[in-house]
Amino acid sequence: EPEVTQTPSHQVTQMGQEVILRCVPISNHLYFYWYRQILGQKVEFLVSFYNNEISEKSEIFDDQFSVERPDGSNFTLKIRSTKLEDSAMYFCASRTGGMLPQPQHFGDGTRLSIL
Amino acid sequence: GQQVMQIPQYQHVQEGEDFTTYCNSSTTLSNIQWYKQRPGGHPVFLIQLVKSGEVKKQKRLTFQFGEAKKNSSLHITATQTTDVGTYFCAGRDSNYQLIWGAGTKLIIKP
Repeated sequence: EPEVTQTPSHQVTQMGQEVILRCVPISNHLYFYWYRQILGQKVEFLVSFYNNEISEKSEIFDDQFSVERPDGSNFTLKIRSTKLEDSAMYFCASRTGGMLPQPQHFGDGTRLSIL
Repeated sequence: GQQVMQIPQYQHVQEGEDFTTYCNSSTTLSNIQWYKQRPGGHPVFLIQLVKSGEVKKQKRLTFQFGEAKKNSSLHITATQTTDVGTYFCAGRDSNYQLIWGAGTKLIIKP
C-alpha cells in the first residue's frame, strides 16, 4: 500500500538555525498538510497546500514557516530561525480529491529537537 | 475560532471493560473523521461519518454522529491491549477546514 514518507526521522538543530523537513506524499494525492504534535499533546494543524499554493494556515504558521513543492513529488516545510518551542513531532499528510472529503494519510513524522 | 472539544483527556480501563470518547463542536460540522494514534506512532484514519444520526461499526468499535451534526462518539466494547492509544476526532467545518479534537488517551490497567 502506498505510504507518505518523511525524512529525516529525527533532526537535532541549534536554536536559530534553519531546518527543512521533507515529505513525499502519496503519488496521486492532491492535498498536502503539515501538522505538529508537541510530546503528549494534541495534533495541531499548521498548513494545507493545494494546486501549488497554500490553501489554509493556522496561527502557528507565522513568517518563520514556509512550504514548497519544488519538483512535483517532494513537499517541504522550512523553519527559518528555529526556537526552542519548535521542538515537536512534525507530521506530513496527504489525501486525494473528490466530491466527498477523503481521509488523510500520515507519514511517520520527523522528531525535531531544538537545542 | 471554532473548536472541537473532546473528552475525557484520559481514560483508564481494565482489559475487557468498555471505553467511550466524545466530541462536541460549537457549530455544525459537514462530516467528522476519527483517527487512532498508537504510542510513538502517527495518526491512522479509522472512519468518516457524513450523515446526520449516522452510526457505523467496525468490529468492537461503534461510531456515532449526532442528529445536529455537532457531536460524535466512539465506543469500544470489551477493550483489548491492542486498543491502547490516543483517539482523535477531527471535524470539518463550513470553511472545509479540519478541526482536530485534543484526543482521548486509552490506558489499559494491568
